[in-house]
Amino acid sequence: AQKITQTQPGMFVQEKEAVTLDCTYDTSDQSYGLFWYKQPSSGEMIFLIYQGSYDEQNATEGRYSLNFQKARKSANLVISASQLGDSAMYFCAMREGNTGGFKTIFGAGTRLFVKA
Amino acid sequence: DSGVTQTPKHLITATGQRVTLRCSPRSGDLSVYWYQQSLDQGLQFLIQYYNGEERAKGNILERFSAQQFPDLHSELNLSSLELGDSALYFCASSVESGPRETQYFGPGTRLLVL
Repeated sequence: AQKITQTQPGMFVQEKEAVTLDCTYDTSDQSYGLFWYKQPSSGEMIFLIYQGSYDEQNATEGRYSLNFQKARKSANLVISASQLGDSAMYFCAMREGNTGGFKTIFGAGTRLFVKA
Repeated sequence: DSGVTQTPKHLITATGQRVTLRCSPRSGDLSVYWYQQSLDQGLQFLIQYYNGEERAKGNILERFSAQQFPDLHSELNLSSLELGDSALYFCASSVESGPRETQYFGPGTRLLVL
């Protein structure tokens, strides 16, 4: 079974509008971390935002916010006021495990296209 | 710039050969992670080292091995290379090794096996 599911292979958004990228996860661990990364066409992986499983408030970092719904096991990324430079691949990731070792699992990604 | 450096940036080699990829973590980071990104498999976790010791293992082939040195830089060795090993290999680093640790990625090494 998929541990991280990103159901949107591609998304279009108009410049200056908000967009939500979906991510659902599956884990039996109580302590885990959820992350979003951006990968532009140049290839580097850029950290965007983090949400801990025990965090009660949704994480925010500038124009990025994470809509964390623990009971539904979802961690959607919201990008407000989209910019042309936001066009990229976006990956949701989960870090789970125990003191014996933690593994990070990435979703398949969502390619975002921002239209002028 | 994440502060994580990887060399070389590009590598072209032939099947059956062996290559070494190098990674220097951010200053102060004790954990190093290796990932493989290919078109068919996506981004796969390979292995993690923390302060010189192997901490977690993912989908790493037996032909691949890694180590972390006392100065905390790490090397990923790929041997008996096959066409399917062509991929982008990322190194990432974090301060510690828990579930809440944010990993910062290097620019990657693009490997092409011909």
